[in-house]
Amino acid sequence: KNEVEQSPQNLTAQEGEFITINCSYSVGISALHWLQQHPGGGIVSLFMLSSGKKKHGRLIATINIQEKHSSLHITASHPRDSAVYICAVVTGANNLFFGTGTRLTVIP
Amino acid sequence: EAGVAQSPRYKIIEKRQSVAFWCNPISGHATLYWYQQILGQGPKLLIQFQNNGVVDDSQLPKDRFSAERLKGVDSTLKIQPAKLEDSAVYLCASSVTGGSYGYTFGSGTRLTVV
Repeated sequence: KNEVEQSPQNLTAQEGEFITINCSYSVGISALHWLQQHPGGGIVSLFMLSSGKKKHGRLIATINIQEKHSSLHITASHPRDSAVYICAVVTGANNLFFGTGTRLTVIP
Repeated sequence: EAGVAQSPRYKIIEKRQSVAFWCNPISGHATLYWYQQILGQGPKLLIQFQNNGVVDDSQLPKDRFSAERLKGVDSTLKIQPAKLEDSAVYLCASSVTGGSYGYTFGSGTRLTVV
């Protein structure tokens, strides 16, 4: 069983839709990252959070430490949001565990 | 600040050949990581350096993979000889110390072994 589970694995949405990607983890963590990976392979860090909620533009990330769960929301989705979104957690021992990613396709 | 630099961006080799990837982390980042990402999977840690010392190489296939960070700055990952299953994106990342303050990833090297 993976330390980090993401859902859904694939997601197709119409432009303008509200999108939610979920991440559950089974280890104790010091921080959780949401990452965006474009087809060329490069990874961009969207958020790093250890509690509560963060917002950047149309992106919102929340985390519930007690439930070991985090969500990434995209409001008013746009085709340029199409990418793979990866959840990764940092343990107290500074190990980094990745989810398998959610492939998002936003259709115009 | 400049990002994590990786080269080459793409490489195609035949099986049993050797290949090397280079990574230059963000200046001042003591921790450097190499990850292997096979298509459809999340990145898998190959090796973690703290300055020029190895912290974790438990998932590095040491019979064919090697990595070094001699001066505690840039790093080289080598595969010799390559196998078909080594086809993947190889990602380098760096952090100030251990990752709790954030990671910065390079753009990756896409390796195809034919």
